[in-house]
Amino acid sequence: KNQVEQSPQSLIILEGKNCTLQCNYTVSPFSNLRWYKQDTGRGPVSLTIMTFSENTKSNGRYTATLDADTKQSSLHITASQLSDSASYICVVSPRGGSYIPTFGRGTSLIVHP
Amino acid sequence: DGGITQSPKYLFRKEGQNVTLSCEQNLNHDAMYWYRQDPGQGLRLIYYSQIVNDFQKGDIAEGYSVSREKKESFPLTVTSAQKNPTAFYLCASSTRGTQETQYFGPGTRLLVL
Repeated sequence: KNQVEQSPQSLIILEGKNCTLQCNYTVSPFSNLRWYKQDTGRGPVSLTIMTFSENTKSNGRYTATLDADTKQSSLHITASQLSDSASYICVVSPRGGSYIPTFGRGTSLIVHP
Repeated sequence: DGGITQSPKYLFRKEGQNVTLSCEQNLNHDAMYWYRQDPGQGLRLIYYSQIVNDFQKGDIAEGYSVSREKKESFPLTVTSAQKNPTAFYLCASSTRGTQETQYFGPGTRLLVL
């Protein structure tokens, strides 16, 4: 069964600090991996997308990495801001079959002033 | 102003009542999706449609029904057969192919009276 596991479940950091969120998956064969940001009570918004051949992708202060061999991804947030407080969701899509993506449960990030 | 909209933002259902959640997109996307989000859980797929007049069940379709009569509209009906309907419902759309980035609406929170 395809699974996406995220850690930590929640994280509290001070404004200006960096943090890294983790995503492990068992989806196979692999097509792509996305990181979404979801503000409380809103729909998720895509941050990055990576395919098998990519091992890093940046979007402003967000940098995602992918190791397709170990089936691991990370999302690094640099110089955190209060607006970074949100849930970050890792989504992995298979290649072939139903193509239905598998969603992780998300990491809840709180940035304190 | 392109995007995907959902209405209403909040919806209350009485016991034994069917309710319909609206989802409209003007992105000219072929594919549309409905997800359910419960606290501490990842998004779970209810139904998806990759083309007008065609749709498929997701992982948790029981107690729900959909229609896709127009490309831009994909309403979801929560029937009385859904015994635990309280949740946050998210609609998404993408270009054809579930491997493409999905764009989410703002969500509808359904509460049972």
